[in-house]
Amino acid sequence: NAGVTQTPKFQVLKTGQSMTLQCAQDMNHEYMSWYRQDPGMGLRLIHYSVGAGITDQGEVPNGYNVSRSTTEDFPLRLLSAAPSQTSVYFCASSYSYRGYEQYFGPGTRLTVT
Amino acid sequence: RKEVEQDPGPFNVPEGATVAFNCTYSNSASQSFFWYRQDCRKEPKLLMSVYSSGNEDGRFTAQLNRASQYISLLIRDSKLSDSATYLCVAPQGGNKLVFGAGTILRVKS
Repeated sequence: NAGVTQTPKFQVLKTGQSMTLQCAQDMNHEYMSWYRQDPGMGLRLIHYSVGAGITDQGEVPNGYNVSRSTTEDFPLRLLSAAPSQTSVYFCASSYSYRGYEQYFGPGTRLTVT
Repeated sequence: RKEVEQDPGPFNVPEGATVAFNCTYSNSASQSFFWYRQDCRKEPKLLMSVYSSGNEDGRFTAQLNRASQYISLLIRDSKLSDSATYLCVAPQGGNKLVFGAGTILRVKS
């Protein structure tokens, strides 16, 4: 099992560019989520999904889109990058959001100039 | 009030010390809680779950106080390798899991 994989590991964007952060898991988990982590702010939930075809907003969804067409994949799209989106992005998955361990990917370090 | 709050620290303790962190949560209906450990520039990893009856794993003890709506993590006989950021997690409204901002622990020799 590869667990949760994320690509790319590092990315530099210019303001206004768009891109997609990829996330995949091979554990057949229903629940997947995206977080961003900024110094002193901890992990903040961007979007989450409780299964294929179902997504919902988290705490900081503005500027990001997600889709969940398969159980395995949960890409995060930045529509028009802004310097405020410079952060470390983590994807996570779990069997369910209730009472189960979340497995995190290694993260994507994004810088927007 | 934030949904999940932690003292950011840092807690600077000598090796062998006992240290405790608290984490308060706002949703009284929350049922399951966790402590995660995050090393510098790495992803968070599960440390332990928090059960109503408490949970002990070696030098680590996690407790839940529903009346005051907080969870705690106690680390006994601290090791240098315990230096990390400790994150608490609580489910909030809907299907959301919310992380605290983390407490930094530095264990010094």
